Amino acid sequence: GEKVEQHESTLSVREGDSAVINCTYTDTASSYFPWYKQEAGKSLHFVIDIRSNVDRKQSQRLTVLLDKKAKRFSLHITATQPEDSAIYFCAASMSNYNVLYFGSGTKLTVEP
Amino acid sequence: EAAVTQSPRNKVAVTGGKVTLSCNQTNNHNNMYWYRQDTGHGLRLIHYSYGAGSTEKGDIPDGYKASRPSQENFSLILELATPSQTSVYFCASGEGRASQNTLYFGAGTRLSVL
Repeated sequence: GEKVEQHESTLSVREGDSAVINCTYTDTASSYFPWYKQEAGKSLHFVIDIRSNVDRKQSQRLTVLLDKKAKRFSLHITATQPEDSAIYFCAASMSNYNVLYFGSGTKLTVEP
Repeated sequence: EAAVTQSPRNKVAVTGGKVTLSCNQTNNHNNMYWYRQDTGHGLRLIHYSYGAGSTEKGDIPDGYKASRPSQENFSLILELATPSQTSVYFCASGEGRASQNTLYFGAGTRLSVL
């Protein structure tokens, strides 16, 4: 199956700064790239996604960039807040059938 | 908001024993999934299903069976539990359509095999 690598296992930023989390994938057939957030002791929930027909998508303070040539995508969080502290998972899907392959997660800590 | 309920939330099992983890979703989603979460590995796909009666192997199916007796229910079965299966298990559901790929996760089951 698809292999998704998440490069930063931990990331620490000061409140108000920006954070960037990077992922790479292996299969050129992958076409859907979501991000999920897991707050401490809780389950995962969807935050933002991007499809392969675009290279950028923004939702409020979150932006996802996709570089299909490099098979790389990234999550950018601007003006970070303490509530952004969580583990963020990137994922990729090769088909319309919703089978998501996840990265290993990045623990983001936003320090006051 | 989609609702996915897992039971039990916590389970302690003995090596060699049988463990069944249950998952119920009330949103009529076609697809359901079982993942396990381990530090350093993230989420790994064990089994998934496209609908009632269907089960498919994910990346790490060895030692696990799955059962989807109905649209709502998807179980993960460990016939002979081993300490290496100690983990947090997440069930998820999704509509399985190209236009709607979001997965909805349950709260997780923490399993310890002693």
